[in-house]
Amino acid sequence: NAGVMQNPRHLVRRRGQEARLRCSPMKGHSHVYWYRQLPEEGLKFMVYLQKENIIDESGMPKERFSAEFPKEGPSILRIQQVVRGDSAAYFCASSPDEAAYGYTFGSGTRLTVV
Amino acid sequence: DAKTTQPPSMDCAEGRAANLPCNHSTISGNEYVYWYRQIHSQGPQYIIHGLKNNETNEMASLIITEDRKSSTLILPHATLRDTAVYYCIVIRASGGSYIPTFGRGTSLIVHP
Repeated sequence: NAGVMQNPRHLVRRRGQEARLRCSPMKGHSHVYWYRQLPEEGLKFMVYLQKENIIDESGMPKERFSAEFPKEGPSILRIQQVVRGDSAAYFCASSPDEAAYGYTFGSGTRLTVV
Repeated sequence: DAKTTQPPSMDCAEGRAANLPCNHSTISGNEYVYWYRQIHSQGPQYIIHGLKNNETNEMASLIITEDRKSSTLILPHATLRDTAVYYCIVIRASGGSYIPTFGRGTSLIVHP
């Protein structure tokens, strides 16, 4: 029963380092969504990708953040030169198609910047 | 910029029904209402969704008003493990695709 797999579960980075978060969607799902959740807050949409394409990145900061979903392999959310304000839980979800069915979330990656 | 409004918190006695309301007065005709819950910072868990008809599954029931401007999630026999933040979301269209957009949700506390 392979759901959406995110790794690592916990990630600690020093200020200025790079953080790479991985998300493997459910089998058969070709749509991936990334969300950020700050402590005591709700989930904020960051970016929506399909294989090899960024469909909507309206929620992603313009600098330091990037995302990709290559033809092979997991989706990657990359944060360059991390700052303490990047500390948050990052969740990814996947869905099978664009018909708004079956959004399944992973367990998240908790990023701590020290 | 969430399209839904939910009370910030509710409480319910164990074994009783929990009725969680949600307003989505600007919902479009082709937008679905989804309910998720998040238990203690775990990943959101799907509960139920609907378009215009009432829906029921093994977890909950979803009642959508005829004008579709509001809905109610019903947990028929709440347990302590149902304590969570419950999110009511509508899917917004973006370039022909759909993106779940979350608000602050309702923090439900089930007490003994």
